[in-house]
Amino acid sequence: GENVEQHPSTLSVQEGDSAVIKCTYSDSASNYFPWYKQELGKRPQLIIDIRSNVGEKKDQRIAVTLNKTAKHFSLHITETQPEDSAVYFCAASSSNSGYALNFGKGTSLLVTP
Amino acid sequence: DADVTQTPRNRITKTGKRIMLECSQTKGHDRMYWYRQDPGLGLRLIYYSFDVKDINKGEISDGYSVSRQAQAKFSLSLESAIPNQTALYFCATSDRADRADEQFFGPGTRLTVL
Repeated sequence: GENVEQHPSTLSVQEGDSAVIKCTYSDSASNYFPWYKQELGKRPQLIIDIRSNVGEKKDQRIAVTLNKTAKHFSLHITETQPEDSAVYFCAASSSNSGYALNFGKGTSLLVTP
Repeated sequence: DADVTQTPRNRITKTGKRIMLECSQTKGHDRMYWYRQDPGLGLRLIYYSFDVKDINKGEISDGYSVSRQAQAKFSLSLESAIPNQTALYFCATSDRADRADEQFFGPGTRLTVL
C-alpha cells in the first residue's frame, strides 16, 4: 500500500519567515495530494491540494509543488503569522485505495512573534 | 464543519466493553471514512464506504467493525475494547465518486479505554 513520509516532524520559525514541509510517497498510482491543517483540539481542514497533472499551485501565502518523477511534494508557507501555528498533514490518494487518504505523520509548526 | 457530526464527543469505557461511535452527515456525500489519530502517528484509515452496500477495510481494521445504515450514517464499533484503542476517532466524507477529492471531517470522538 501507499506509504507517505513527512519531514520535519517539528518546525519553528519566526513570524514573517517562510516554512517548508516535505513529503514523499511510494505508490506511483497516487494522483491527488492534499494538505490539511489541524489546530489544537480541532478537526483537520483542507488548506490546499494538487493533482498529478499539475506541478505547482498557489493560494495567497500557501503553495504546493509536486515532483511526480521523484514522488515528492512540498508545502510552502510564506510570510508566516502566529495563526499559522498548527499541525500540518500531507496525504496521498489513488483509486487503488478507493480514494481514501494516506496521511503523513504530521508537522507541528510553531510561528513565534 | 457542522455538516458532519459525531457522537459521542468523549467516551471513557473499560476493557472488554462494546462501544459504538456514530457519524452523521447532511452533505449528501456517498463516500464516508473512519480514521483514528494517535499522537505522532498521523491519521490512519480504519474503514471506508462508497455507499450503503459497499464497505471496505482500511489499513488498521482489526478489532473494528462498521455499519452503513443509510447514506448519511456510518457507525464504527469496537466489539471488545482494549486500551490500545484509546485514540481520537474522526469520521470524514467526500463527494466525488470518480476521483479523489476534499474530505470533510467531523469534530472527532475522543475514546479512552481503561
